[in-house]
Amino acid sequence: NAGVTQTPKFQVLKTGQSMTLQCAQDMNHNSMYWYRQDPGMGLRLIYYSASEGTTDKGEVPNGYNVSRLNKREFSLRLESAAPSQTSVYFCASSADRPNQPQHFGDGTRLSIL
Amino acid sequence: SQELEQSPQSLIVQEGKNLTINCTSSKTLYGLYWYKQKYGEGLIFLMMLQKGGEEKSHEKITAKLDEKKQQSSLHITASQPSHAGIYLCGADVGGTSYGKLTFGQGTILTVHP
Repeated sequence: NAGVTQTPKFQVLKTGQSMTLQCAQDMNHNSMYWYRQDPGMGLRLIYYSASEGTTDKGEVPNGYNVSRLNKREFSLRLESAAPSQTSVYFCASSADRPNQPQHFGDGTRLSIL
Repeated sequence: SQELEQSPQSLIVQEGKNLTINCTSSKTLYGLYWYKQKYGEGLIFLMMLQKGGEEKSHEKITAKLDEKKQQSSLHITASQPSHAGIYLCGADVGGTSYGKLTFGQGTILTVHP
């Protein structure tokens, strides 16, 4: 079972470059999320999407944009990468019923020089 | 400051020892999720607690949610090297929008054989 698939797994960028992180889920979930994980800070929500066609800001949205392309796919874009965006990025999805766990991808390790 | 505080931040134990990780909030927890993360991988869902006083077990891992629903503990009995990793608690601390979770900063567990 694929679950949540993220691409790429690793990426190195130069300051000012742009890139899009891809995420796809095959569990027919309505809700999808993007988090970043930094040492000592746990997971922080960047953006989320409660359903196809809707997106909302999370705790740390500055410098990012998202697109919910369809029910399966939710992408995260860095328009002008900054060293402060060096992090591990996780995508997750969940069913839109109360008390349902989020299912996570394996993450994208992004370094910005 | 973190809405969810985990303690300890790191833990080193000898194989066979018992250990406890705590997750504390100043707000009522509407659904508390425990996840485990191995280095370089995504988060694996362990268990979810909802009701005050609730306790759940999976193999040698037991999680409890206190009566006031403001603290949860994760207890591992007779630890093994396979238990090593990062343990994170996540919770809906607002009770207004299920799906969106706040995470603690994580506890790094090392088990020496």
